[in-house]
Amino acid sequence: EAGVAQSPRYKIIEKRQSVAFWCNPISGHATLYWYQQILGQGPKLLIQFQNNGVVDDSQLPKDRFSAERLKGVDSTLKIQPAKLEDSAVYLCASSLDRGNEKLFFGSGTQLSVL
Amino acid sequence: QKEVEQNSGPLSVPEGAIASLNCTYSDRVSQSFFWYRQYSGKSPELIMSIYSNGDKEDGRFTAQLNKASQYVSLLIRDSQPSDSATYLCAVKREPAGNKLTFGGGTRVLVKP
Repeated sequence: EAGVAQSPRYKIIEKRQSVAFWCNPISGHATLYWYQQILGQGPKLLIQFQNNGVVDDSQLPKDRFSAERLKGVDSTLKIQPAKLEDSAVYLCASSLDRGNEKLFFGSGTQLSVL
Repeated sequence: QKEVEQNSGPLSVPEGAIASLNCTYSDRVSQSFFWYRQYSGKSPELIMSIYSNGDKEDGRFTAQLNKASQYVSLLIRDSQPSDSATYLCAVKREPAGNKLTFGGGTRVLVKP
């Protein structure tokens, strides 16, 4: 079974630039999550999708972050414009459905904003 | 007050000893509790889940939950160098979909 795929693995940009991350969840997983993990901290949920609908985006900085999952499969997270404090690992995770406890994480995208 | 709190460590443990990790949470309505292991530079992986008060054992791992005191702990018996990682405590509150709130993690170092 293929795992959660994410790209790119690393990204370095300057502040005020834009960046996009891509995630393809495990086949058949209805729920998709984007987490932000700052160095030395635990993951923080940015947005949760159930199929192509948003379940929770309460911690997403909507003035600069956006995410979509148009066909209910893969997803894109965008930051525009980036700030220095956005430097973090962006983790995508998926689960079979909303009530399923086990999350499978991708390898993450490490973002450095200079 | 953070929703989920853990001692950041590092917790240094000699090989073969028991590593004891603690986690406290602030929301009494929390119902489901999880321990994830994260190796350096890798993504988290689920190792234990616990839903009711008491102990739950899985191999060398034992999770303990005390809802009255709002803490959950993880014991790693016969610690091995391969157990060196950061252990993340995660809590789920219903109704909240499947949103997990993570603690900051405890770094464990097992020394041969």
